[in-house]
Amino acid sequence: DQQVKQNSPSLSVQEGRISILNCDYTNSMFDYFLWYKKYPAEGPTFLISISSIKDKNEDGRFTVFLNKSAKHLSLHIVPSQPGDSAVYFCAASITTSGTYKYIFGTGTRLKVLA
Amino acid sequence: EPEVTQTPSHQVTQMGQEVILRCVPISNHLYFYWYRQILGQKVEFLVSFYNNEISEKSEIFDDQFSVERPDGSNFTLKIRSTKLEDSAMYFCASSERMRGVYGYTFGSGTRLTVV
Repeated sequence: DQQVKQNSPSLSVQEGRISILNCDYTNSMFDYFLWYKKYPAEGPTFLISISSIKDKNEDGRFTVFLNKSAKHLSLHIVPSQPGDSAVYFCAASITTSGTYKYIFGTGTRLKVLA
Repeated sequence: EPEVTQTPSHQVTQMGQEVILRCVPISNHLYFYWYRQILGQKVEFLVSFYNNEISEKSEIFDDQFSVERPDGSNFTLKIRSTKLEDSAMYFCASSERMRGVYGYTFGSGTRLTVV
């Protein structure tokens, strides 16, 4: 039951260029989405979120886009830096259901090449 | 910056043994969670805990699992009789609000290896 999918297990990008990480979901009830970044031997750290009432949220070099009709979100990192090399997870929740949990994707490993 | 602390960082145990994974959430947080990640797979929700009781649990969280907040600071996950398939990275998390507008704060995880 893969409600949240990250179809690219890995991505390599040159330093200074744009990194685009994609996430698709199947449950149209999801209304809140997060991106986490994870370095080896550390827990995931929160990066950016978006509510389904928006289609874009920006925080510095990070922008998340949400396309509800396509059930797709993407994380753009511009410009990419070597320190951005990590595994990126998207996660989704249904805030109106009273649930406490997020459903995570399997992650995309980003490598930013110097 | 406040952080969630997990101990031990790595635990090796014999199949059938009981293990207790420990977590110290952020002090003013009210909601506590355990997630796990089997190697190469997604991060999966196990359980959430609020107001001294389980608020939600997944199908993974069967009778072999239990959680406790024995005092004001610790939050523990107990696996009563470990199986090989329990080998995973276990992450504790906490949030100030339900789910957290900014997600959770995760600990660094405990790698559990069942042999």
